[in-house]
Amino acid sequence: EPEVTQTPSHQVTQMGQEVILRCVPISNHLYFYWYRQILGQKVEFLVSFYNNEISEKSEIFDDQFSVERPDGSNFTLKIRSTKLEDSAMYFCASSADRGGFYGYTFGSGTRLTVV
Amino acid sequence: SQQGEEDPQALSIQEGENATMNCSYKTSINNLQWYRQNSGRGLVHLILIRSNEREKHSGRLRVTLDTSKKSSSLLITASRAADTASYFCATDFTGGGNKLTFGTGTQLKVEL
Repeated sequence: EPEVTQTPSHQVTQMGQEVILRCVPISNHLYFYWYRQILGQKVEFLVSFYNNEISEKSEIFDDQFSVERPDGSNFTLKIRSTKLEDSAMYFCASSADRGGFYGYTFGSGTRLTVV
Repeated sequence: SQQGEEDPQALSIQEGENATMNCSYKTSINNLQWYRQNSGRGLVHLILIRSNEREKHSGRLRVTLDTSKKSSSLLITASRAADTASYFCATDFTGGGNKLTFGTGTQLKVEL
């Protein structure tokens, strides 16, 4: 079964550093997403991406964050100048259609720890 | 704001018993989805039910949707220890763009 692949699985970074989280969505999916889950809290939507541009973003997704699809397969989330409160599990997801009529496929996540 | 709230927050049952989890939401939806998360791991899509559907089955899973009450339930029959996980409902709500709003989750523990 097709999978969404995320790398790395764990990342520890110093506060103030930049991190790039990587994702390979399912190949025939057109819509891509990032979500995050702070330990013990809900999964929260960050951003959706379609046709090489952001289609929607949440209040969490401020200027510190950016997304990019640098080539035909990768989808990245960059966090500039990380803060302690950015520590969370970050999930990438993709869907074949807008609204996930057939569901969304999530990756296994990247656990980011900011120290 | 649109939210999914599950109850109970935690559920502990014996292997072989059925587990029922409920989810309530506040505004109109396009579909509702259930996900499972093993401790500290990724989200696994279990089942999707559309707003015009009332019940759906997948293996040992049965999902119902009552749009008049804005609620859904997930039933896991004949539970197994391997079903131990957190279960989340997530709604794709009407006019909400293409994103999911997750609930707070139910932690299910199935004991041998």
